[in-house]
Amino acid sequence: GAGVSQSPSNKVTEKGKDVELRCDPISGHTALYWYRQSLGQGLEFLIYFQGNSAPDKSGLPSDRFSAERTGGSVSTLTIQRTQQEDSAVYLCASTGQGAGGYTFGSGTRLTVV
Amino acid sequence: QQQVKQSPQSLIVQKGGISIINCAYENTAFDYFPWYQQFPGKGPALLIAIRPDVSEKKEGRFTISFNKSAKQFSLHIMDSQPGDSATYFCAASRDTGRRALTFGSGTRLQVQP
Repeated sequence: GAGVSQSPSNKVTEKGKDVELRCDPISGHTALYWYRQSLGQGLEFLIYFQGNSAPDKSGLPSDRFSAERTGGSVSTLTIQRTQQEDSAVYLCASTGQGAGGYTFGSGTRLTVV
Repeated sequence: QQQVKQSPQSLIVQKGGISIINCAYENTAFDYFPWYQQFPGKGPALLIAIRPDVSEKKEGRFTISFNKSAKQFSLHIMDSQPGDSATYFCAASRDTGRRALTFGSGTRLQVQP
């Protein structure tokens, strides 16, 4: 596609429920990243996929968070047993083979009530 | 070692003035330093980036100054315009951008007409 697509754009969930956030990267981009942006804060790295390599999960804050990337394209970030502190904007980005800047999606705003 | 410290947190500049945002890093392995611009409700967008083999890079009204010995870099926005009002993030990574970016905490810029 023309850009990185994320869905849903907004998600309100009850504490304790599981949520799935989807990212559709730019076609042909081999690297995909998930970041979390809390209100008025910077971007916190969560996880990184590069081609067929094992993902870099070093940023995941707890074992309630997991992500997968199917067929080297679409990625799903899953948060189990959501907590209020999980409320944030979850941003996905992708890059091509060459080094350089990310293309970000518009994010999913998650609100846990 | 992975931190990128950004200042100021917020900045108000008159139209036509110069906006200056500063960042400092600790990890000497960082070798790629981009700046991102984010408008409300949107994901960050790459503005300009620099590698440590040059001390300055200019693109239009935007200039990055880089001081390798001081481990600092800054963004200068010349002739600031109200349309430049946004949040700006500096970032850094290793392996010429092939690793996950570490972001600063952001600077909210307001350009007054």
